[in-house]
Amino acid sequence: QSALTQPPSASGSPGQSVTISCTGTSSDVGGYNSVSWYQQHPGKAPKLLIYDVTKRPAGVPDRFSGSKSGNTASLTVSGLQTDDEADYYCNSYAGSNSVVFGGGTKLTVL
Amino acid sequence: EVQLVESGGGLIQAGRSLRLSCAASGFTFENYAMHWVRQAPGRGLEWVSGLNWKSERIGYADSVKGRFTISRDNAKNSLFLQMNSLRDEDTALYYCAKDVDASIGTPSMDAWGQGTSVTVSS
Repeated sequence: QSALTQPPSASGSPGQSVTISCTGTSSDVGGYNSVSWYQQHPGKAPKLLIYDVTKRPAGVPDRFSGSKSGNTASLTVSGLQTDDEADYYCNSYAGSNSVVFGGGTKLTVL
Repeated sequence: EVQLVESGGGLIQAGRSLRLSCAASGFTFENYAMHWVRQAPGRGLEWVSGLNWKSERIGYADSVKGRFTISRDNAKNSLFLQMNSLRDEDTALYYCAKDVDASIGTPSMDAWGQGTSVTVSS
């Protein structure tokens, strides 16, 4: 159960797009279509943004999108807004009833 | 409105036990998988444990396997985490989280509590 690899930081200007990667192995990200993404503002509980690689829960803007290629999943945030500044985490099913999270990415909106 | 309210955290000596509870409301609890996720101060999210709707499929992080036990009482809309042999590294905010599905094979947590803090002192 090794944590998925995310870049520690990412940044972009308002209106721009930014993509955050989440790299695992064939035993987790690459082996299942079960990657989710979460947004966490300081002092708050996480919020689900994407599940099953590409699906958005009701109420999540379509500025947030997910994809996967091989062992790497990606979250793209388009039309960056100041409120998008937060920590972002991915998770994946890892087999044998286990789940693994990424280390998190701090997104800064310049 | 979905609500998850954790309780049972506190300051505890290393080696001792603690039991966390999570009271659920606003949804049909018995239809969904549930998870415990923790976050150490200034650190990222770490999945601790999860179980499916019927408690048939249960999983644990390697870091807590053999020490923690997850359970649920569908009649009382409650989730529990029994934590034994606590260590300094178990210090964290513990979140209860609802899955979007009955299975833990597609972990997607669409509702979270505000967390209960556990501090283990040696």
